Amino acid sequence: AQTVTQSQPEMSVQEAETVTLSCTYDTSENNYYLFWYKQPPSRQMILVIRQEAYKQQNATENRFSVNFQKAAKSFSLKISDSQLGDTAMYFCAFRQINAGGTSYGKLTFGQGTILTVHP
Amino acid sequence: GAVVSQHPSWVICKSGTSVKIECRSLDFQATTMFWYRQFPKQSLMLMATSNEGSKATYEQGVEKDKFLINHASLTLSTLTVTSAHPEDSSFYICSARASGSYNEQFFGPGTRLTVL
Repeated sequence: AQTVTQSQPEMSVQEAETVTLSCTYDTSENNYYLFWYKQPPSRQMILVIRQEAYKQQNATENRFSVNFQKAAKSFSLKISDSQLGDTAMYFCAFRQINAGGTSYGKLTFGQGTILTVHP
Repeated sequence: GAVVSQHPSWVICKSGTSVKIECRSLDFQATTMFWYRQFPKQSLMLMATSNEGSKATYEQGVEKDKFLINHASLTLSTLTVTSAHPEDSSFYICSARASGSYNEQFFGPGTRLTVL
């Protein structure tokens, strides 16, 4: 079974600064996706960024980027130029893909990290 | 992105009554839908996976007779909490998986259930 671990229950950062959220996972699979989701106070889950395990290049989405270390099974999220609207709970998640790439397992979530951006 | 709606957004009920929560994929067909439960400041806990036209697959420890899931169409899944008790009070989130690239999951806005 896969596990996802977020070891930082809470983090805080000043507006305009950079913050990195940590995530490690454990799997024996080779094909999978990794995700970061954001859950703001509204509690709507929002996909922030996605990384395919077969891609060596780290995914980026505007101010959000990841540091994907497959061998170390590490998948951290860096938020640059933090904004007040980034205040949310962030979840790292894993999803397995079958060998044919045609079917997908369920999402396994980490415990979450509450990020507060201070003005 | 695709939109998933949930209704109601919040509900308060008396202990012993049943409550139905609807989850709809508004602009795509979802062959698979997921139901999660979330306590404050905690992660999402998967309760069950439902595929259109077939019985839901429940996670270990989730009572299938208490949490009835129906996925009657490609755009609608329902979760019925039967004989609700205060310990069932929680935030319930549905998610629908779209076919195509990445088979991405889209999440509903959640339903807050309070059982008195």
